[in-house]
Amino acid sequence: DGGITQSPKYLFRKEGQNVTLSCEQNLNHDAMYWYRQDPGQGLRLIYYSQIVNDFQKGDIAEGYSVSREKKESFPLTVTSAQKNPTAFYLCASSGVSRSDLAKNIQYFGAGTRLSVL
Amino acid sequence: QKEVEQNSGPLSVPEGAIASLNCTYSDRGSQSFFWYRQYSGKSPELIMFIYSNGDKEDGRFTAQLNKASQYVSLLIRDSQPSDSATYLCAVKTSYDKVIFGPGTSLSVIP
Repeated sequence: DGGITQSPKYLFRKEGQNVTLSCEQNLNHDAMYWYRQDPGQGLRLIYYSQIVNDFQKGDIAEGYSVSREKKESFPLTVTSAQKNPTAFYLCASSGVSRSDLAKNIQYFGAGTRLSVL
Repeated sequence: QKEVEQNSGPLSVPEGAIASLNCTYSDRGSQSFFWYRQYSGKSPELIMFIYSNGDKEDGRFTAQLNKASQYVSLLIRDSQPSDSATYLCAVKTSYDKVIFGPGTSLSVIP
């Protein structure tokens, strides 16, 4: 089945540690996104990538890093510089449609909950 | 002014009633509009998208778009307890970014 797979589902970070969240898609989508969601809040864009080997900062990129070496994969690293990393992290992808308008529909993975030990 | 605004709620409606969820946006050149539903602890899922002025219906859901007023709404007819969730409005802007609103929490009371 086509979809977006995020792993792990739950992740715990120790102080000073970098952790990496995985996001893989088999939808042949060009664009991929990372969002952060805090309790009772909307989605805030961390990074996005519209093509392999290229990515742009979103609204809250500080303390995070990404790579896009393959079309299918867009991992997010939460670095030790991110002092308040506890949140629900969502990966999404979009693209590949006969309709230009439908190309902007973002499909989401199941998310990763990150907590600090 | 925030780019996409929604009433945070919670919006409570009795079962069987019509739930009306509203969204306003600031970029007059915005091109397409999306409604997502997010159950507690889960990821958002697309309900509908609309890009032309007027109404678009899909089952119990109707999206309404008024570009002149920069307003998009989602109506849920015959609301069910299973419709209780947070509804996110998303807007594709003229500068090619999709912006999500903060969401409206809906509670359907049996």
